[in-house]
This record gives sequence, C-alpha cells and structure tokens, in this order.
Amino acid sequence: NAGVMQNPRHLVRRRGQEARLRCSPMKGHSHVYWYRQLPEEGLKFMVYLQKENIIDESGMPKERFSAEFPKEGPSILRIQQVVRGDSAAYFCASSPKGQNTEAFFGQGTRLTVV
Amino acid sequence: AQSVAQPEDQVNVAEGNPLTVKCTYSVSGNPYLFWYVQYPNRGLQFLLKYITGDNLVKGSYGFEAEFNKSQTSFHLKKPSALVSDSALYFCAVRDDNTGKLIFGQGTTLQVKP
Repeated sequence: NAGVMQNPRHLVRRRGQEARLRCSPMKGHSHVYWYRQLPEEGLKFMVYLQKENIIDESGMPKERFSAEFPKEGPSILRIQQVVRGDSAAYFCASSPKGQNTEAFFGQGTRLTVV
Repeated sequence: AQSVAQPEDQVNVAEGNPLTVKCTYSVSGNPYLFWYVQYPNRGLQFLLKYITGDNLVKGSYGFEAEFNKSQTSFHLKKPSALVSDSALYFCAVRDDNTGKLIFGQGTTLQVKP
C-alpha cells in the first residue's frame, strides 16, 4: 500500500504565477488535510476535505488559495498569483474515516517563489 | 476550542539518558491525542496515539507516552535516548467538531553522544 504521494516535491514559481500542488491519499482513505510549514515554525492547518466536500477551511487565506478533493483523482491545493510570502513547505495528510484514526503524511512540496 | 501546547522549544539529552518531551492539551470532549516525529526535509511520521484505555501508550522506535487526565498532559518518553532520535517532535489533538488535527508548535530534540 503506497503512502501519501505528493507532487511535485519541489516547485519554483515566479511572483504572479499559479502553483498547483497535488496529493494522492493512501488507498482507502477518504479524508485529506493540508498544512503549511514555514522554516523554523510548526504546522499550520489550512484545510480539511472529504471527497467532494470541504469540511473545514478555517486556515485558508481568504484570497488566492483554494483546495479541492474530487470524486476521482488527487486533491489539489491551488495558489493563484503567488507572492514571496507563499514560499513554504506544504504537507498533505490522509486518514480513513473516524476520530480515533491517525493521519499519514506525504513528503511535502517545497514551494519557492522567486 | 481544542488546542495543544508544547512548552519547550528544545530539549537536550545525553545519549543513553531518559528523555521527556512535554505536551499539554485542552479539549471539550474526549481527547484523541497523537505524537509525530519529523526528520529534516521529510514529512511527519506517526509515533503513537491515545484514544482510550491504558494511560501508558507504547509506540514506534521505543517511544511511549503517558496520558494524565488530571494534568491534561500527554508527555512523550523514552527510557534511553539515541543520537538518531534527534528530530522535531509534534503533539496533536483531534478537533471534536470537525475532526481536523491540530498540532503544537513542535519541540526540537537534540541527543548528544
């Protein structure tokens, strides 16, 4: 059973471009979470999704950021018109349904905005 | 609202000595608590969880954690530290309402030979 797959591992974008980060959850997992980690900082929650539903997006910036988890295919975190401050590591995690289940993390996508 | 706090930014331990990484939590319902470890430039790896039952939970790589309801704590422990245990450790709690995982700010563990 493959783990959580994130791609690309590294992404370089110029200011004003769009960044698309992909996350394929573990097989059988219907819940996906996105987190952002800045250097020397902890994990900041961004969004929690189930298939075709956004459960909690309280950590998402109001503008430029969006996320989806379609019925088929990976979850996508999209950042429009990137700025230097968006440079960070973005981690995706997945879990099966249930409060007592742990989440498994991908290796992350390191976004650099130049 | 649910939250976790890790009061120490860094913990330094000599190899072979016992280690403790502290975590306190605040929840409105039943606590679902987790510990994760992150090595440089890697994702987080699950170590252990407390759901219910025994207060002492055993996990991966010889780690264990003690759940203390009266002190609202879930400290991570290991009887004998290894240099290879040096990493960033995160405590997390499940939000009762939405199910999202909320992480503490992380504690850097340095184990010196």
